[in-house]
Amino acid sequence: DTGVSQDPRHKITKRGQNVTFRCDPISEHNRLYWYRQTLGQGPEFLTYFQNEAQLEKSRLLSDRFSAERPKGSFSTLEIQRTEQGDSAMYLCASSLGQELGNEKLFFGSGTQLSVL
Amino acid sequence: QQPVQSPQAVILREGEDAVINCSSSKALYSVHWYRQKHGEAPVFLMILLKGGEQKGHEKISASFNEKKQQSSLYLTASQLSYSGTYFCGTVTGTASKLTFGTGTRLQVTL
Repeated sequence: DTGVSQDPRHKITKRGQNVTFRCDPISEHNRLYWYRQTLGQGPEFLTYFQNEAQLEKSRLLSDRFSAERPKGSFSTLEIQRTEQGDSAMYLCASSLGQELGNEKLFFGSGTQLSVL
Repeated sequence: QQPVQSPQAVILREGEDAVINCSSSKALYSVHWYRQKHGEAPVFLMILLKGGEQKGHEKISASFNEKKQQSSLYLTASQLSYSGTYFCGTVTGTASKLTFGTGTRLQVTL
């Protein structure tokens, strides 16, 4: 069990630039989540995948955000035309995909995005 | 809707006990507890399903009152390693995702 890994750990970008983050879940996990966390707040749900299918997106997720999980393995989260309000820690989590209300999430260490 | 946690922060001396509360305005299917240390990923502690069960994990236990839509996390004989931010997460139905509260910062001192 190598855990959930995220890359990069830190990203500094200028407003208006596009950024892409990658998440590699635990290998046998078929469910993958993206959360966003700002300082002093709890993780905020963005979207999740069951294998390669994106099953739910938060209303908070503007059309500048897009996520993919090709082949049901790693996932990418892209933010286009970044804004200062996008600055946050982006967390990825995976699970074995049991019943939605009864699953243990394994989180990665996150990608800290700073938009200047 | 985001669950509400109380207190927002607590400072303990090693060996003291603490209770962290989590309440929701919606009927709950399950409550989840995670701990996050500064600069690290949240780590799973436990899940409580509706039915009013209580669970324990060494000196950390939790209860879930389905009727009151509340859960409490009990930390007994706290250790320095318990320091961190504790988040409850709630699920309102079998098809809904986890919604985290704002967190409770716990600091254990010597």
